[in-house]
Amino acid sequence: RKEVEQDPGPFNVPEGATVAFNCTYSNSASQSFFWYRQDCRKEPKLLMSVYSSGNEDGRFTAQLNRASQYISLLIRDSKLSDSATYLCVVKGQAGTALIFGKGTTLSVSS
Amino acid sequence: EPEVTQTPSHQVTQMGQEVILRCVPISNHLYFYWYRQILGQKVEFLVSFYNNEISEKSEIFDDQFSVERPDGSNFTLKIRSTKLEDSAMYFCARGGAMNTEAFFGQGTRLTVV
Repeated sequence: RKEVEQDPGPFNVPEGATVAFNCTYSNSASQSFFWYRQDCRKEPKLLMSVYSSGNEDGRFTAQLNRASQYISLLIRDSKLSDSATYLCVVKGQAGTALIFGKGTTLSVSS
Repeated sequence: EPEVTQTPSHQVTQMGQEVILRCVPISNHLYFYWYRQILGQKVEFLVSFYNNEISEKSEIFDDQFSVERPDGSNFTLKIRSTKLEDSAMYFCARGGAMNTEAFFGQGTRLTVV
């Protein structure tokens, strides 16, 4: 079983749309959870951490369900600049490696 | 502004040659990581480095790989005898304040021919 699984997409949406990405992870001992964004041939950039209570950063909302080992990212009012690959990332205790999903590709069109 | 600076940005090398990839942290941090990403595939962990020692390594990080921080600043990844399948983007990253998240450099694209 893959450690972090994501629907690869692509998700093709018009500007202004709301889009949701899902992710599942296999290691129940995982302690930290993140969404990273990666543009083509660039480095991954931290988008937001994900907390059990759910958290929001502007148009982005992340949710974590530890019981189901499930993470989600909701993007509201999509912009052209949101086009990228979104990487679901989990981590064990501090100092251990980040484990990446393969990513979900989003394409926002005008 | 990148969290860490990686050089070179692109390196082409012949199979069997040794390559050294470099990473220079902007600030004084203790945790560093090397990851790689083969084109079209996911980002894979190679090795973590804490306080000038390897703290964790993956199955990918075999005897042909080594890491050093020779002068307390620059952080290097050496691949001793490159193979075609070593062609990938190699990312250096530093740990965040609580060493949970990681912040990546812009990467070195390694092409083995």
